[in-house]
Amino acid sequence: DVKVTQSSRYLVKRTGEKVFLECVQDMDHENMFWYRQDPGLGLRLIYFSYDVKMKEKGDIPEGYSVSREKKERFSLILESASTNQTSMYLCATAGVGSYEQYFGPGTRLTVT
Amino acid sequence: SQQGEEDPQALSIQEGENATMNCSYKTSINNLQWYRQNSGRGLVHLILIRSNEREKHSGRLRVTLDTSKKSSSLLITASRAADTASYFCATDAGGTSYGKLTFGQGTILTVHP
Repeated sequence: DVKVTQSSRYLVKRTGEKVFLECVQDMDHENMFWYRQDPGLGLRLIYFSYDVKMKEKGDIPEGYSVSREKKERFSLILESASTNQTSMYLCATAGVGSYEQYFGPGTRLTVT
Repeated sequence: SQQGEEDPQALSIQEGENATMNCSYKTSINNLQWYRQNSGRGLVHLILIRSNEREKHSGRLRVTLDTSKKSSSLLITASRAADTASYFCATDAGGTSYGKLTFGQGTILTVHP
């Protein structure tokens, strides 16, 4: 089974802090995705990556950056956290040619 | 922008009843998928239907797709309390989108024992 892990289930940060959210997968999938989930808005794609060191903006990239130095790891970075970035963050992976995405358990981030 | 719109937003039924959730989308798709999310957890893939398919079954799940109406429905038969979760449709536009999915807002299903 694909295993997708995220570094924290719950995280509390202060406004202005730099925040790192880590996602690690063990299935050698090429494609990795970061979403945020907010009530009434569903899941929105922040960034995705289809290969090491490659990244593409999703629908809401503002205020975020990503890093993919190794195939199994995809990091989401909040350069200067703001209260409107309080949300549930979900990482997902997919293999090339496979449309199904596998999700991690999520990180609930609160920015105070 | 959100492509999929689920209807209803919330559904409450008794164990043993069937649950039907609908999804509408706006642009052409390569495939449509349904995911399930238990409270506070990640999403789990349930079923995928391709644009050239009209109906698909998996256990107690039945999915239909009408590309002319740009809509899909998910039917869960003989529901159980354990089916209580949020259900999301997600569309894949295909092409060079690298498997990018666009999710709807979800339907919250509550199954009462």
